[in-house]
Amino acid sequence: NAGVTQTPKFQVLKTGQSMTLQCAQDMNHEYMSWYRQDPGMGLRLIHYSVGAGITDQGEVPNGYNVSRSTTEDFPLRLLSAAPSQTSVYFCASSFGAYQETQYFGPGTRLLVL
Amino acid sequence: ELKVEQNPLFLSMQEGKNYTIYCNYSTTSDRLYWYRQDPGKSLESLFVLLSNGAVKQEGRLMASLDTKARLSTLHITAAVHDLSATYFCAVDMASGTYKYIFGTGTRLKVLA
Repeated sequence: NAGVTQTPKFQVLKTGQSMTLQCAQDMNHEYMSWYRQDPGMGLRLIHYSVGAGITDQGEVPNGYNVSRSTTEDFPLRLLSAAPSQTSVYFCASSFGAYQETQYFGPGTRLLVL
Repeated sequence: ELKVEQNPLFLSMQEGKNYTIYCNYSTTSDRLYWYRQDPGKSLESLFVLLSNGAVKQEGRLMASLDTKARLSTLHITAAVHDLSATYFCAVDMASGTYKYIFGTGTRLKVLA
């Protein structure tokens, strides 16, 4: 199993540009989520999904959109990038049961100029 | 405001010593998760604590959960350099939700 994969690993955007961060998992996990991690801080939940077709907002959803058309994929879209969105983005997945831990992808480092 | 507070934020300790990291939270969650992150890397799961009084141990690390006090501890026994990393605790925002809040992390440095 490849686990949780994310692309790209690193991206530079200009203010106002849009882009999609890709996340995929091959473990048949129902639950997937997106976090951002800013320097010296913990992770903050952006959006999450409990299954295909079902998404919900996390702690910091503004400026981001998600969709979940398949169990495997959970892309994160930045609609109009802002410097405040410079961060490291992690995707995670789990079986969905409360007793299950989350498995994290390697992260995408995003710089918005 | 829902909070997850860890202390200390930074910890420098000698090899062979013992120490405890504390995680206090304000949510009504009855489960708690511990993760490890090495510099520039992703997060790795350490422990899942699912009920009041739960205790789990792996090697030199032992985690416990007191849901009544809303407190979890991560105890390090006879620290070694390989344990140097940042440790995060996380809880769900309310029992039964899938919205997780992470603590700000404890950066541990074990000196030889």
